[in-house]
Amino acid sequence: DAKTTQPTSMDCAEGRAANLPCNHSTISGNEYVYWYRQIHSQGPQYIIHGLKNNETNEMASLIITEDRKSSTLILPHATLRDTAVYYCIVRVLYNNNDMRFGAGTRLTVKP
Amino acid sequence: DAGVIQSPRHEVTEMGQEVTLRCKPISGHDYLFWYRQTMMRGLELLIYFNNNVPIDDSGMPEDRFSAKMPNASFSTLKIQPSEPRDSAVYFCASRNSAREDTQYFGPGTRLTVL
Repeated sequence: DAKTTQPTSMDCAEGRAANLPCNHSTISGNEYVYWYRQIHSQGPQYIIHGLKNNETNEMASLIITEDRKSSTLILPHATLRDTAVYYCIVRVLYNNNDMRFGAGTRLTVKP
Repeated sequence: DAGVIQSPRHEVTEMGQEVTLRCKPISGHDYLFWYRQTMMRGLELLIYFNNNVPIDDSGMPEDRFSAKMPNASFSTLKIQPSEPRDSAVYFCASRNSAREDTQYFGPGTRLTVL
């Protein structure tokens, strides 16, 4: 399955948009892009997922490039509580064995 | 809903002792997953169940580890005997396959084996 590449860390000012990139250049046609985050000392939390169209929910927006080789998670108005490690995961829908959490991006939201 | 419940939240034990971690999935969820997280290896899937039946235990590190799900609302992960290298945070997650492909994680159990 496709691997993902994310920056190790990013900073964002409180109230500004946080844009977290993810590269998945070997993604297959039936693989979805998932985003989870892990706040310190908590379990991972689902954020959003998509196949090829941009997606938006109450937490974030997911922008997937037309060639699907990369995506960006957007937190429109970051707060201090958004400080966490963000994981980009590429997997086939309903493939339970394929929740491969890499190192993720450590996002720090600063006041 | 209370979410996925795990107990204990912290466990400190000595090498050679038996350790049992517990998980109560979200009511109505038919999949249950056990993960282990360490600094060196990140988050790894150990085993998962569907309708209380173990489906894939290929991630279980060795025979010292065992997991059971006697009913839809309870699962255990047992380590016997425990070793210092088992020290990690163990997460349980559950999913409702009929509704969505989202896993809901518990708060984890931090295990320290001295």
